[in-house]
Amino acid sequence: DQQVKQNSPSLSVQEGRISILNCDYTNSMFDYFLWYKKYPAEGPTFLISISSIKDKNEDGRFTVFLNKSAKHLSLHIVPSQPGDSAVYFCAASANYGGATNKLIFGTGTLLAVQP
Amino acid sequence: KAGVTQTPRYLIKTRGQQVTLSCSPISGHRSVSWYQQTPGQGLQFLFEYFSETQRNKGNFPGRFSGRQFSNSRSEMNVSTLELGDSALYLCASSSGTAGEKLFFGSGTQLSVL
Repeated sequence: DQQVKQNSPSLSVQEGRISILNCDYTNSMFDYFLWYKKYPAEGPTFLISISSIKDKNEDGRFTVFLNKSAKHLSLHIVPSQPGDSAVYFCAASANYGGATNKLIFGTGTLLAVQP
Repeated sequence: KAGVTQTPRYLIKTRGQQVTLSCSPISGHRSVSWYQQTPGQGLQFLFEYFSETQRNKGNFPGRFSGRQFSNSRSEMNVSTLELGDSALYLCASSSGTAGEKLFFGSGTQLSVL
């Protein structure tokens, strides 16, 4: 059962335009969401996160939006740059009283930013 | 501060063999998690260790095991390797607080022939 879903395997955008990556989840116990970026042959690197008590978090060119009623979150990158080309993973965690730091990942979206 | 270090970077094994992967977390981090990445499957959680104790485990067979040492370094072992175990194995560390971001190593690429 895939609790975190990224339904778009790939996305292509023009340099300077907005990239919007989407993620859906099924577990209402998730209370923390993160986005990671991954280049080939490297480990994922943290981009931005959001707590379930918020609906928006912004960090420079990156903004994450959370819609709890729809169990949906999205990552906006504005403006997109060729160096943003990578695989983006959405991840979620449920606190369960602090007993674990397990993240559930989506299958990733390959973003290609065309010059 | 040095990042998460995983060794070796690449491994080639044959079916039936066993393998041990190593992970050194960021200094001061007490939680180490292991993930398996295969094409189209994203990152699948294997297990998490905190202060030498396994505190969470994913849905993998018992052939996959791990341990953590008193210096927080961790090892992961896979016995009786199968072709389907070919994957990128990623180690991540954190201070251990729930919901905290994880810092990943570059991974060990395991190929089973």
